[in-house]
Amino acid sequence: EIVLTQSPATLSLSPGERATLSCWASQSLDSYLAWYQQKPGQAPRLVIYDASKRATGIPARFSGSGSGTDFTLTISNLEPEDFAIYYCQQRRSLVSFGGGTKVEI
Amino acid sequence: QVQLQESGAGLVKPSGTLSLTCAVSGTSITTSNWWTWVRQSPGKGLEWIGEIYHTANVNYNQSLGSRVTISVDKSKNQFSLNLNSVTAADTAIYYCTAKRCCNWYFEVWGRGALVTVSA
Repeated sequence: EIVLTQSPATLSLSPGERATLSCWASQSLDSYLAWYQQKPGQAPRLVIYDASKRATGIPARFSGSGSGTDFTLTISNLEPEDFAIYYCQQRRSLVSFGGGTKVEI
Repeated sequence: QVQLQESGAGLVKPSGTLSLTCAVSGTSITTSNWWTWVRQSPGKGLEWIGEIYHTANVNYNQSLGSRVTISVDKSKNQFSLNLNSVTAADTAIYYCTAKRCCNWYFEVWGRGALVTVSA
């Protein structure tokens, strides 16, 4: 089983600032990693897939990078609607999710 | 567009069986998708339960052992989850979702169904 570790657990920022979220994998994922955004009471929403590709309808302020075992989600110029929990997910070997990073004001 | 809707019992007794169904609309369940169940315990993260292809190929999370069964009903365009020998630790919101061709990530989700395990 591939284990994903996300850091930090909580990120306290203000609108307009940049958020940098990390996800580490216990073994190489190549680029088979996605990021999801989840708001209270809602299902997750795909933000980034294949490490760096934006999903449909996702604004350009969201960007992903990395390959192998180290990945980053960057949200530049945070908007109020970006404050949420973000999960990474791998599909290199079946499926697993990271523990999540809460981006809070 | 593709839509998923969970249904099933919201309250299950300990040691009983949790049963949920996901109705698929906007596409045939025989298209190239891995139909998937994911759960989220209260205040916790996401846990992958398992997935099924319309050919009945299945993959399960090993942590759930032999308690889980996922099946597909082509005639009703739906897929189902059975989890037996449940305990309070199985209390969660259960989502159905799908890894869709051809990026194979979870672009579409149901709204989720809360299942509580309690006597």
